[in-house]
Formats: sequence, structure tokens, C-alpha cells
Amino acid sequence: DAGVTQSPTHLIKTRGQQVTLRCSPKSGHDTVSWYQQALGQGPQFIFQYYEEEERQRGNFPDRFSGHQFPNYSSELNVNALLLGDSALYLCASSPVRGSYEQYFGPGTRLTVT
Amino acid sequence: AQSVTQLDSQVPVFEEAPVELRCNYSSSVSVYLFWYVQYPNQGLQLLLKYLSGSTLVESINGFEAEFNKSQTSFHLRKPSVHISDTAEYFCAGTNNAGNMLTFGGGTRLMVKP
Repeated sequence: DAGVTQSPTHLIKTRGQQVTLRCSPKSGHDTVSWYQQALGQGPQFIFQYYEEEERQRGNFPDRFSGHQFPNYSSELNVNALLLGDSALYLCASSPVRGSYEQYFGPGTRLTVT
Repeated sequence: AQSVTQLDSQVPVFEEAPVELRCNYSSSVSVYLFWYVQYPNQGLQLLLKYLSGSTLVESINGFEAEFNKSQTSFHLRKPSVHISDTAEYFCAGTNNAGNMLTFGGGTRLMVKP
């Protein structure tokens, strides 16, 4: 049974560019959350998707957007990249919305130069 | 606003010695608390959780944590650490909506031979 998978593993972008990160949830999970983990810090919640809609959002600007597909996979899009967007982006899935357990993927390391 | 505070950024300890990693939460945070472990270049793995019931929770690899409501703490302990326990440990809490995890800043456990 595959766990949460994310692609790509690493990514290097230039300031001002746009990036798309992808996540496939654990089999049987329908809720996907995204977190940003800056170097040396704890993860910060970006947003959560359930039934293809954004259900909850953290304190992140509109440059951060997402999407959930009918197969429950999800994308995180970041526009107009800033140097400060360099971080590890983690995707987590939950078996049902409201479940207190979240299973994390290995993350995508984004470097903005 | 919710907050989770990990009081120590680094904890060096010798192999086979006991260890305690401290975590305090704000009273507005739900009583749903978690410890996650992150090995280098990997995502987060759930170590243990407190949802309700017994205030002492245990993991399969010898860690335990005790929920203390009066002290708003959820400290992680292990009576005898191994080299393989070297990792970053994150305490996290979630609100009644049960979805957005709020993380502490992390504690780097460094086990020395």
C-alpha cells in the first residue's frame, strides 16, 4: 500500500516564476493538506482540500493556490516566487475529513534563486 | 490564536541515557496533541498521539508522552535512547475542527556514542 507521494523531489526556480507541486494521497484517503517548512522551523499550514474545494486556509497570501482532483490527488501552485518561498513543502492526507491523523509525504524541496 | 512551544531547540544526550523533550501548548489549542519525528531529508512520521482517555500514551519504539492539562504540557520521554533516535522531533496540536495542525519549532535530538 503506497503512502503519500509527492513530486518532484527537488526543484529550483527563479524569482518571479511560477511553480506547481503535486501530491497523491494514501490509498483510501480523501482529504489533503499542504504545509510549508522553512529551514530550521516547524511546518506551517497552508490549506486543506476536501471534495475538490479549499476548506481551510492558513496565513498565506493569494499567491499560494491549490486544486484537488476527483481522484483526491492535489496540486499546490505558487505564483510570483520570492526568495522567502524556499522551503520544504509537505503534503499530508487524512482518511476522512475531521480525522485527527495526518500522514505526511516526503516533501518537495523548493529553492528559489 | 493557537500555539505550541518546544522549549529546547537542541538536546544532546549520550546513548542509553534518558531524555525528555518539552512541549507546551496554549489553552486555546484543542486537547488533541501529537509528536512527529523527522529523519534527515524525509517527511514527518507520527510517533504518538493523545486524543482522549489515558493521559499517558506510548509508541512502539519506547517513547512515551504524558498529557498534563494543568501545566498545559505534553512532554516526550524515553528512558534509554539509541543512536538511531537522532532526529528532529515536532510537537503539534489541532483544534476542534480537527484538521489544521499547529507545530512547535522542533527539537533536534542528538544522541552521542
